[in-house]
Amino acid sequence: TQLLEQSPQFLSIQEGENLTVYCNSSSVFSSLQWYRQEPGEGPVLLVTVVTGGEVKKLKRLTFQFGDARKDSSLHITAAQPGDTGLYLCAGFGGTSYGKLTFGQGTILTVHP
Amino acid sequence: KAGVTQTPRYLIKTRGQQVTLSCSPISGHRSVSWYQQTPGQGLQFLFEYFSETQRNKGNFPGRFSGRQFSNSRSEMNVSTLELGDSALYLCASSLEGGSRGGYTFGSGTRLTVV
Repeated sequence: TQLLEQSPQFLSIQEGENLTVYCNSSSVFSSLQWYRQEPGEGPVLLVTVVTGGEVKKLKRLTFQFGDARKDSSLHITAAQPGDTGLYLCAGFGGTSYGKLTFGQGTILTVHP
Repeated sequence: KAGVTQTPRYLIKTRGQQVTLSCSPISGHRSVSWYQQTPGQGLQFLFEYFSETQRNKGNFPGRFSGRQFSNSRSEMNVSTLELGDSALYLCASSLEGGSRGGYTFGSGTRLTVV
């Protein structure tokens, strides 16, 4: 059974601070995706990383996939209140069609 | 283009009843996956359908079932509802259900079992 350990579970910071969310597993994933979910809505895809060592940047968000494709991180620079939400990492393993294994999520609160 | 549509948004059912949830994927997407989200267990995979065939199934009891129609719309059914089935049920559509495909989620159906 593939598991994804996501940390921290909760993060409360002030506007302008930087933060990093980690996603770790003992299993290898074909790809790793990051989602953001607002209350009462479904998760929205932020990025997909597929190559070990890959780094993707989306404005103030930087995503990294570990060399061994077992871990990933999300770094937010100069957080803003609009970044508040639930962040989820999700791994896709092998030929497991349509199945994403999700981490437990990180609830981020950015205070003005 | 239209997103993933799930109906209904909210449901309240009594223990022992059954329920059917619907998901209309993005036009052209042939893969539909279903997930259950609860505060304690997070998002857990139920099953995936592609071209009317179930290709993958999670570790849920047989009370949870689904199907997909020729237009890719999908339904999931839960029979003999239990209190523990209360959750947000999400469907996700993708082109082919592969590792590189982006998965687009619907807003979910909030099921409450009383």
